[in-house]
Amino acid sequence: VLMTQSPLSLAVTVGQPASISCRSTQSLVFRDGNTYLTWFQQRPGQSPRRLIYKVSDRDSGVPDRFRGSGSGTDFTLEISRVEPEDIGVYFCMQGAHWPPTFGPGTKLEIK
Amino acid sequence: QVQLVQSGSEVKRPGASVKLSCRASGYNFAIYGISWVRQVPGHGLEWLGWISPYEPSRHVAPRFDDRVTLTTDTSSDTSYLELRSLTSDDTGFYYCARDERQYCVGVTCPYFDHWGQGALVTVSS
Repeated sequence: VLMTQSPLSLAVTVGQPASISCRSTQSLVFRDGNTYLTWFQQRPGQSPRRLIYKVSDRDSGVPDRFRGSGSGTDFTLEISRVEPEDIGVYFCMQGAHWPPTFGPGTKLEIK
Repeated sequence: QVQLVQSGSEVKRPGASVKLSCRASGYNFAIYGISWVRQVPGHGLEWLGWISPYEPSRHVAPRFDDRVTLTTDTSSDTSYLELRSLTSDDTGFYYCARDERQYCVGVTCPYFDHWGQGALVTVSS
């Protein structure tokens, strides 16, 4: 399953919103009824960190300005108000079809 | 707290093999699988494979099937990735991550929820 993201980079002013789109070539609904679309943040020099799982479930400790949404093949990560610590690369990953595949990443910078 | 600690950087010649380790702590290693993911220039993040410590089950991505061996040692809570026939295209960071989707229930989902710090593998002549 091919994962695409757009945009591949974006520059946002602190306090402004940001939105990243992720699309898959097949529906990500798994046989157990869950939709396995996961979002990761990778800050410079760090390992990926899971932010959102199963489309919209936010991990403990992730600020509520991060929100995941979508269904089927079309998903979005929104940051309601970008903060300086949000810089990095954001990846989506599908786990509904084997093997798991990642999007190319979206680089978020501060304008 | 859950931690995955990986072995250090490696420098290898083309054609050689590398074996990386990932030691788990803070949870019951024996009942959670481990996935290995790499990040190499030009290829983004690539999933390499998954291994279960609790049963003889492992899955390797097709394009690595002939070069990757995954093993675990439950006596030391450690998972291993061996990659053979290295080329310069294998240069990059290699990560382990906890991966046990069957336990994704309610607010708990141990599916790529914790990652190791990464190990840099450099392949150069």
